[in-house]
Amino acid sequence: GNSVTQMEGPVTLSEEAFLTINCTYTATGYPSLFWYVQYPGEGLQLLLKATKADDKGSNKGFEATYRKETTSFHLEKGSVQVSDSAVYFCALKGIQGAQKLVFGQGTRLTINP
Amino acid sequence: SAVISQKPSRDICQRGTSLTIQCQVDSQVTMMFWYRQQPGQSLTLIATANQGSEATYESGFVIDKFPISRPNLTFSTLTVSNMSPEDSSIYLCSVEPLAGPRETQYFGPGTRLLVL
Repeated sequence: GNSVTQMEGPVTLSEEAFLTINCTYTATGYPSLFWYVQYPGEGLQLLLKATKADDKGSNKGFEATYRKETTSFHLEKGSVQVSDSAVYFCALKGIQGAQKLVFGQGTRLTINP
Repeated sequence: SAVISQKPSRDICQRGTSLTIQCQVDSQVTMMFWYRQQPGQSLTLIATANQGSEATYESGFVIDKFPISRPNLTFSTLTVSNMSPEDSSIYLCSVEPLAGPRETQYFGPGTRLLVL
């Protein structure tokens, strides 16, 4: 079945550091890929998405590129801020069957000033 | 996108009681879902709320424990029945405005439940 694997956290960085959160997936065909963010005490917000190979999703300075050859969708940001501290979830939606959203385990990110 | 509200936002309940969580969307949506997020964990799909028919439950979740209603295209409820401390979680409503593999799911703010 479909699955998503994220790099284990927690991740702690200093402000203005470069961020990468790795995400790889297993799925049949070309699923849609998503990054969601959960700020402390809140629900999930869609951060970005990509629906086909080589697409790049971007939002709020974050980027992720859909890499079919490596089945990856790594999240990157060039210069993180304290306000980026949150839990980040990689997710996929398959194109066959029930098309359910499948989540990775989440990566907790803390940015120190 | 869709604006989703949930009530209550949080609650503290005694074991053996039941709590009904409401989810309201500001526009008609095709798909509505209920998720559970246990402390420090990822999200687990409980069920898909079907308009005008019984919900479709995932493995490990049953209607007697988590009855769901969806009377129309903008509203759904999830009841957590006969609660125990293991039910302490965040319960999230999610919607998909249009069904399809390329469509995005949007999430409500969640209901934080603590069972004593």
